[in-house]
Amino acid sequence: EVQLVESGGGLVQPGGSLRLSCAASGFTFSSYWMSWVRQAPGKGLEWVANIKQDGSEKYYVDSVKGRFTISRDNAKNSLYLQMNSLRAEDTAVYYCAREDYWNYDYWGQGTLVTVSS
Amino acid sequence: EIVLTQSPGTLSLSPGERATLSCRASQSVSSSYLAWYQQKPGQAPRLLIYGASSRATGIPDRFSGSGSGTDFTLTISRLEPEDFAVYYCQQYGSSPPFGQGTRLEIK
Repeated sequence: EVQLVESGGGLVQPGGSLRLSCAASGFTFSSYWMSWVRQAPGKGLEWVANIKQDGSEKYYVDSVKGRFTISRDNAKNSLYLQMNSLRAEDTAVYYCAREDYWNYDYWGQGTLVTVSS
Repeated sequence: EIVLTQSPGTLSLSPGERATLSCRASQSVSSSYLAWYQQKPGQAPRLLIYGASSRATGIPDRFSGSGSGTDFTLTISRLEPEDFAVYYCQQYGSSPPFGQGTRLEIK
């Protein structure tokens, strides 16, 4: 059974940092692109970043470029999102999702990040 | 940039009725690249339809997708109580990938 379990969310002050993790199991993690997708309270889905199977390609939404870094450790079946210089508008539930060709076929349960003083 | 616009924003129907949700793209999208998701309160999104018309694993056949080019439709033939949720369309290859969502509520 495919499972994605996020962790690392919490309350952080504006300008602070947080590192999210996503533990994957039930599939060959190193064979898939992976993404982070976020959802602000009461809002829709926003793709944040994705990473190629071997980590050689990474892409970001404009609003997080230069502040967030996506990475992965295939030996640990884990996906990460390092978030620096956090802003109030980064407050959201962050989901990790597996990319299957052109869609997101499995999602984690999400981890809440709250940026507030 | 391809923008997906979903309509209506909110759809109020009763169980047993037919639901038709629309997703319009600002430019042509390959059918292979169009998917639909269902999201219930407090839950992660779930893939319903991929390739515009193929049901994902375990999705009941009352859900169907159709369309091509710039106009795509998700149809729920007979609404069950568990179908009331928010639905998103998604395209691959251009950011932002998701539409703004359609809320399907009980009338």
